[in-house]
Amino acid sequence: MELTQSPGTLSLSPGERATLSCRASQSLSSYLAWYQQKPGQAPRLLIYGATSRATGIPDRFSGSESGTDFTLSISRLEPEDFAVYYCQHYGTSPGFGQGTKLEIK
Amino acid sequence: EVQLVESGGGLVEPYRSLRLSCAASGFIFDDYAMHWVRQVPGQGLEWVSGISWNSGTIGYADSVKGRFTISRDNGKNTLYLQMNSLRAEDTALYYCTKGKTFASYSGAFDIWGQGTMVTVSS
Repeated sequence: MELTQSPGTLSLSPGERATLSCRASQSLSSYLAWYQQKPGQAPRLLIYGATSRATGIPDRFSGSESGTDFTLSISRLEPEDFAVYYCQHYGTSPGFGQGTKLEIK
Repeated sequence: EVQLVESGGGLVEPYRSLRLSCAASGFIFDDYAMHWVRQVPGQGLEWVSGISWNSGTIGYADSVKGRFTISRDNGKNTLYLQMNSLRAEDTALYYCTKGKTFASYSGAFDIWGQGTMVTVSS
């Protein structure tokens, strides 16, 4: 099972909306999570079950799914949101996408 | 405070062994699956291995199968990763992480340690 994230790099300004994509090679039954990782830090869980926000995650982060296509949206970018984002499937043999770097334009 | 603290990393020669440990605190350790995830500096995340709450389900990435062994001691709230026949490509930061879902092997990873670095080099 493979996850393909796009784009590889996304350049946006604070206040703009970000849309990150993750495509699965087969059905995941919503076993899809999103993580944020900042330099020098461990990943942080943002979204699980494709659409549920983890504890303490601001509501500007949202997840959606359509078949094998998954999307992480950030409605209004804050300076602290610029980071690398990974999608993950967490079935019996978990795996991660290659990541999308969200950088300041 | 929920916390995972890894230890045991370091510099090791190829073909040698190393055992990583992860001390858990702040939650009921034996209620949750645990996993190891590694990351080569500057690169992406790779799931390495996972173990269910009761050690009844264990999984490995193909890249480490037959060389690495995951285990847990629920009495000591500690997760382990025994790494044998180490290769240069095993060089990475190894994270210990907790499964989110009670008594289920399948779940997102909601708590992460800060990682322990393993460098395999002669």
